[in-house]
Amino acid sequence: DAKTTQPPSMDCAEGRAANLPCNHSTISGNEYVYWYRQIHSQGPQYIIHGLKNNETNEMASLIITEDRKSSTLILPHATLRDTAVYYCIVRVPFPSGSARQLTFGSGTQLTVLP
Amino acid sequence: KAGVTQTPRYLIKTRGQQVTLSCSPISGHRSVSWYQQTPGQGLQFLFEYFSETQRNKGNFPGRFSGRQFSNSRSEMNVSTLELGDSALYLCASSPPPLSYEQYFGPGTRLTVT
Repeated sequence: DAKTTQPPSMDCAEGRAANLPCNHSTISGNEYVYWYRQIHSQGPQYIIHGLKNNETNEMASLIITEDRKSSTLILPHATLRDTAVYYCIVRVPFPSGSARQLTFGSGTQLTVLP
Repeated sequence: KAGVTQTPRYLIKTRGQQVTLSCSPISGHRSVSWYQQTPGQGLQFLFEYFSETQRNKGNFPGRFSGRQFSNSRSEMNVSTLELGDSALYLCASSPPPLSYEQYFGPGTRLTVT
């Protein structure tokens, strides 16, 4: 799996957009970018994934640069409940027969301030 | 659709005892993975089961074992507990066949005294 680099912490005002960056300069062509988050003492929660096109779902948007060496997770209107550690993971998806193991780095602690 | 459930949520055991944790995946999910999470080591993969077969195992001693039943429910067992086994144990399930994501349960918080 490609190594990722994320800032250790970020603050965001409630109601504003939270933009969380991730560098993955060694990403290979078949590796996807996944984002998960973990609220304190809860299990991790899948947010979104992408290969090279920008992606959006009900939770967030994922912007991947054209060279795929970095990406940004955008929470459009952050709430206090979005306070969590956000993990960026780069790996090939889970085809049948492969182990579905994830490895989380240290992630970014996002604190949404009232 | 109900999420991944894990029981019990909290557990306190004594060194030398054994413990069994249970996980029920999301309906229709046949893959179940187990992870150990500690502040010092982060998230570490224990093992994965698919259709009652262990497909991969992380770098943990043989005291850690698991199994999966025909209804996809899974259990993991830790024998001869050590203080270092205190952790949050997480179970995750994945939809077939090509799963881009894993859905985690709330975890079981195990404390070994």
